[in-house]
Amino acid sequence: GENVEQHPSTLSVQEGDSAVIKCTYSDSASNYFPWYKQELGKRPQLIIDIRSNVGEKKDQRIAVTLNKTAKHFSLHITETQPEDSAVYFCAARGSNTGKLIFGQGTTLQVKP
Amino acid sequence: NAGVMQNPRHLVRRRGQEARLRCSPMKGHSHVYWYRQLPEEGLKFMVYLQKENIIDESGMPKERFSAEFPKEGPSILRIQQVVRGDSAAYFCASSPSSARYGDTQYFGPGTRLTVL
Repeated sequence: GENVEQHPSTLSVQEGDSAVIKCTYSDSASNYFPWYKQELGKRPQLIIDIRSNVGEKKDQRIAVTLNKTAKHFSLHITETQPEDSAVYFCAARGSNTGKLIFGQGTTLQVKP
Repeated sequence: NAGVMQNPRHLVRRRGQEARLRCSPMKGHSHVYWYRQLPEEGLKFMVYLQKENIIDESGMPKERFSAEFPKEGPSILRIQQVVRGDSAAYFCASSPSSARYGDTQYFGPGTRLTVL
């Protein structure tokens, strides 16, 4: 069935360092991959997304890479700041369905 | 431009009661999705609706749960005879009608259901 695996489950970095979160997906028909940031008690907020016809996308300190052959995609955050501390979720959407399949989440802690 | 609205934000029910969760999509959005998030877990897809149609309910339990998105008014997720295991945050998301932007889902603030 459809599945998204996300690693690591927790990540602690020093302020200014980079953070990388990796996801793999099982459905080769998936064509859309968003990343959401969720602060405690808040809604998931879209921070960046990538479609299957693109290998990389960047928005200021955030970038996402996609390897369709290996069926994995990664989130890169550079120059991390304490306000980046949150839970990050990756997701994959199949080509024939509207639903998003989410990874298990990564709790990122940025230490000042 | 108001975002996705959900109410109530918090709902407390006793076992056996009914819970009704409401979701108003963003203006111009006609696609609604419901997800459930158990404490300290990820989001699990429940159901995908368009106006007056259920498109995909593969993630919704077969019993006690139902959803609708009428021609007028908000989408409703209904849970009958709630049990303690139903305690969770229920998030609604909406996406635009346009095929070009149809992928992006924007989430509401969620309804936190507690079953006593």
